[in-house]
Formats: sequence, structure tokens, C-alpha cells
Amino acid sequence: EVQLVESGGGLVRPGGSLRLSCAASGFTFSSSWIHWVRQAPGKGLIWVAHINSDGSGTGYADSVKGRFTISRDNAMNTVFLQMNSLRAEDTALYYCARDRAFAFDFWGQGTMVTVSS
Amino acid sequence: QSALTQPPSASGSPGQSVTISCSGTSSDVGNYNYVSWYQQHPGKAPKLIIYEVSRRPSGVPDRFSGSKSGNTASLTVSGLQAEDESDYYCNSYAGSNLWVFGGGTKLTVL
Repeated sequence: EVQLVESGGGLVRPGGSLRLSCAASGFTFSSSWIHWVRQAPGKGLIWVAHINSDGSGTGYADSVKGRFTISRDNAMNTVFLQMNSLRAEDTALYYCARDRAFAFDFWGQGTMVTVSS
Repeated sequence: QSALTQPPSASGSPGQSVTISCSGTSSDVGNYNYVSWYQQHPGKAPKLIIYEVSRRPSGVPDRFSGSKSGNTASLTVSGLQAEDESDYYCNSYAGSNLWVFGGGTKLTVL
């Protein structure tokens, strides 16, 4: 069974940092691209970042470029999202999702990030 | 990276068909056949229902269909059922390892 489990969310002050993790199981992780997608309370889905199977290729939304870094450890079947210089507008539920044909076919349940003083 | 444009709401009666549009540009929807659609019920993670414009993942009813013309993609839900009441989001690949979502459409079954 494909599973994606996010962790690492929490309350952080503006300007602070957090590192999110996405632990995968039930599929060949080392061959899979992974994305992060976020959703602010009551709002729509926003694509955040992507990483290819070996970590050599990444992409970021303009709103997070230069502040967020996506990485992966294929030995641990885990993808990370390092979030620095956090702003109130980064407050959201962060999902990781597996890529299939440039779509997101399996999603985790999300981890909540709240940026507030 | 501008969001794709979806109508905020749509509605239909049980048994009817409803079509939700997703308008992009020649840099995303119009340039790639990598349009996907997601259904999201309140408090749940999104679920993939259409990928590559018109392909359905295993287990998705054939009442859901997708198409594209130029810079606009569409999702059609035929034979509306009460459980189809949900939020729907389109997404497109935009090149250079970038993706973009639409703002979402709330579908109400009357």
C-alpha cells in the first residue's frame, strides 16, 4: 500500500525556520518524483516544490524560491522541505504527493505549519 | 507563475452533467498535455481523478471525463451524484520543473 506521511509542522515565529519530512513506503521511492503542495486554511491548493528521483532536478514556486529547499534521502525513503525566513503567508497545511505522469497520484494527510508571533 | 482560472462555483441536479473550465496560457495548459484534476472533500487530502488531460486512474468512475482545447481544459461530471459535491482543482505542468493549480471550483449538487 502506498503511504506518504508528513511530519515536522508546528508553530514558528516570523523569520524562523522549520524542516518538514515526508516518509514514503509501499512503492519504489528511489524512482519517484515527489512534490510539496500547500493549502492555507479555507483556501485553494498551491504547488510549492518538486524534486526528481535522484535529487538532481528541483523546481520551486516563485513565492518560496530562495527561502525553501527541497531535498531527499533515498536510503531513508524520505523527502525534506527546509523552510527558512518564514512569513505569515506561509501558514498552511503542507502535503507531499507522489508524481505520476506530471500529476499527483498519492497524497499524504499533511502537516500544519503556523507562522505567527 | 499565475494561477489557472476556474469558476468559483458550479452546480447541477442529480443525474445532470456539469462542466468545469480551467483557463491557462500557451505556457502551461496550451503547451503541455499534462493537465490533471483533483477532487477534495472537506478535511480530506485531494484525490487525483484525471491526468494527462483525459486519462482516469484506476477506480475513478467513467462519469468523470476531461478534455482540452487550446489554453482551456475542462472537467465534465456526468450523471451527477450526491457524493460528487466537492471542491475540484485543475493543475498543469508549466515547463522548467514548475506546476500551477487553478483556484478551485466548489461543485454543489442541488
